[in-house]
Amino acid sequence: DIVMTQSPDSLAVSLGERATINCKSSQSVLYSSNNKNHLAWYQQKPGQPPKLLVYWASIRESGVPDRFSGSGSGTDFTLTISSLQAEDVAVYYCQHYRSTPITFGQGTRLEIK
Amino acid sequence: EVQPVESGGGLVQPGGSLRLSCAASGFTFSNYAMSWVRQAPGKGLEYVATISASGGDTYYADSVKGRFTISRDNSKNTLYLQVNTLRAEDTAVYFCAKDPTTATTGYFDSWGQGTLVTVSS
Repeated sequence: DIVMTQSPDSLAVSLGERATINCKSSQSVLYSSNNKNHLAWYQQKPGQPPKLLVYWASIRESGVPDRFSGSGSGTDFTLTISSLQAEDVAVYYCQHYRSTPITFGQGTRLEIK
Repeated sequence: EVQPVESGGGLVQPGGSLRLSCAASGFTFSNYAMSWVRQAPGKGLEYVATISASGGDTYYADSVKGRFTISRDNSKNTLYLQVNTLRAEDTAVYFCAKDPTTATTGYFDSWGQGTLVTVSS
């Protein structure tokens, strides 16, 4: 199974500042047949289901603010929030879908400093 | 609006069974693969199972293989998860989640609110 490891486990950032969350996979999630990284990012607020933010590592889901961006390839990926807003307080998860079983990172809790 | 709605959770004794349901609306259910993902209290997300749009292909996490069965009834726009031989570690909120394309891609663009399964004597 592909193991997804996020860092840090928790993060406190001031309003308006940049937040960066990292995700590392134990094997490459780049699929040679389509040259795409099979990596998604989700945001989960308390008492709510996860919400898709980014897929194919860097494509922002419709309706997601452009302060959210995904980058990376192969085994190393990053979710960046360019200017933190109060409503961004949540737990963020990466997920690979390169093969079965799908696996998620352990989550990164983002708070306001 | 795309809105899966789960039901069927509850309190069950170790070794017991439940059938979870997910009623889908707002999209052509039969065109999309569907999955179950669970979240133990205070913990992260754990993949459980996926079924293709036609129902012909199924995939399971090792932790549930042989105990859980995913199925669907496209005529009723409903996804199911039969959970048998339940263990304390199966206690979780079970979410149903929709694949975003007509292929079985593996990421999820719509999630239900979840149904809580508690395994305890």
